Amino acid sequence: KAGVTQTPRYLIKTRGQQVTLSCSPISGHRSVSWYQQTPGQGLQFLFEYFSETQRNKGNFPGRFSGRQFSNSRSEMNVSTLELGDSALYLCASSATGTGSGEQYFGPGTRLTVT
Amino acid sequence: QKEVEQNSGPLSVPEGAIASLNCTYSDRGSQSFFWYRQYSGKSPELIMSIYSNGDKEDGRFTAQLNKASQYVSLLIRDSQPSDSATYLCAVGGSGYALNFGKGTSLLVTP
Repeated sequence: KAGVTQTPRYLIKTRGQQVTLSCSPISGHRSVSWYQQTPGQGLQFLFEYFSETQRNKGNFPGRFSGRQFSNSRSEMNVSTLELGDSALYLCASSATGTGSGEQYFGPGTRLTVT
Repeated sequence: QKEVEQNSGPLSVPEGAIASLNCTYSDRGSQSFFWYRQYSGKSPELIMSIYSNGDKEDGRFTAQLNKASQYVSLLIRDSQPSDSATYLCAVGGSGYALNFGKGTSLLVTP
């Protein structure tokens, strides 16, 4: 099976702009989670989607949003970018519909905000 | 705040030795426990999952879980230089999210 794919892999944006990141889960996986990874804070949970419904959201401002499509592909959007949003954004998919099961990560999108 | 704590390291072990990585967590309701390996510049890779008390072995890796002590560990036998990476402990509850520790850096020296 193909793994989780994320596009784009690298992105450079300016403060105040917005950005949309895309994630395609492993075939058959209906749960998609997003994480932000920074050297100082480590991996932090952003949100999780299952069957187009957001089931959980981490402690991030409303500038961070996401959605999931009927084919399980997911997008996350960050509006009004700040320098502190520079990070590796990771998408993970899971076959588990309940609880917190095994999650498989994509390669990530490296976002740099200047 | 649900905490997952790991010693940041670096943990240095000679090639062929056993590397022991430890993790504690604060949420007693946690149900699932994972170890991920992350090479520099790469994304985390799932290497072990454990859901019940005791040991679980997979090749050179053994995960150990003690829910009473809220403690998870990972043993790597016959450590190889290619095992040098950051190891992330992740803990899951009923809320569909994994809570990650900040990782332990492992260095295996030839």
